Amino acid sequence: EVQLLESGGGLVQPGGSLRLSCAASGFTFSNYAMTWVRQAPGKGLEWVSAISGSAISTYYADSVKGRFTISRDNSKNTLYLQMNSLRAEDTAVYYCAKDPSSSWPHFDIWGQGTMVTVSS
Amino acid sequence: DIQMTQSPSSVSASLGDRVTITCRASQGISSWLAWYQQKPGKAPNLLIYAASSLQSGVPSRFRGGGSGTDFTLTISGLQPEDFATYYCQQSNSFPLTFGGGTKVEIK
Repeated sequence: EVQLLESGGGLVQPGGSLRLSCAASGFTFSNYAMTWVRQAPGKGLEWVSAISGSAISTYYADSVKGRFTISRDNSKNTLYLQMNSLRAEDTAVYYCAKDPSSSWPHFDIWGQGTMVTVSS
Repeated sequence: DIQMTQSPSSVSASLGDRVTITCRASQGISSWLAWYQQKPGKAPNLLIYAASSLQSGVPSRFRGGGSGTDFTLTISGLQPEDFATYYCQQSNSFPLTFGGGTKVEIK
């Protein structure tokens, strides 16, 4: 079964750091680009960051550029999101998702999400 | 950045109704648009990609259309499990962007 499982969320103070992980199973992880999407409480979906299958290419939303770093370990079938200098507005459920396309990103498999709360 | 505007933001409909949701891009995106369904407390689920291609396993009552800047998602014959929030997403260029969502509610 194709599956994504996020972990690493929690409560963190403003200015703090957190690293999210997304463990993949049931598909050849290194063949696919991956992405992070977040959803603030009661709000819509916001794309955060994406990484190519080889990890050569990375992309970021302006709202997180310079603070968040996406990476992956294809030997461990795991995607990461290192989040630094966290702000209250980063509070959201963070989803990892698989991109089945090689040229026009869309997301066919999603994890269940992990909650990040930034508050003092 | 490409802005995606969905309308309406919410719609009330009855079982068996046909509902059409519109998504407009701030610039042309060819057919690089996807639609997702999200139920409360759950992750989004891909319905349509490349504007009109039905994702495997998605019922045929869901239909996507359009190209350029104007797109539609039509649900024909609303079923109880279709009451949810729907989002469009452009995949033409980074940064990727989603529409604000359309909530389909029971009348």
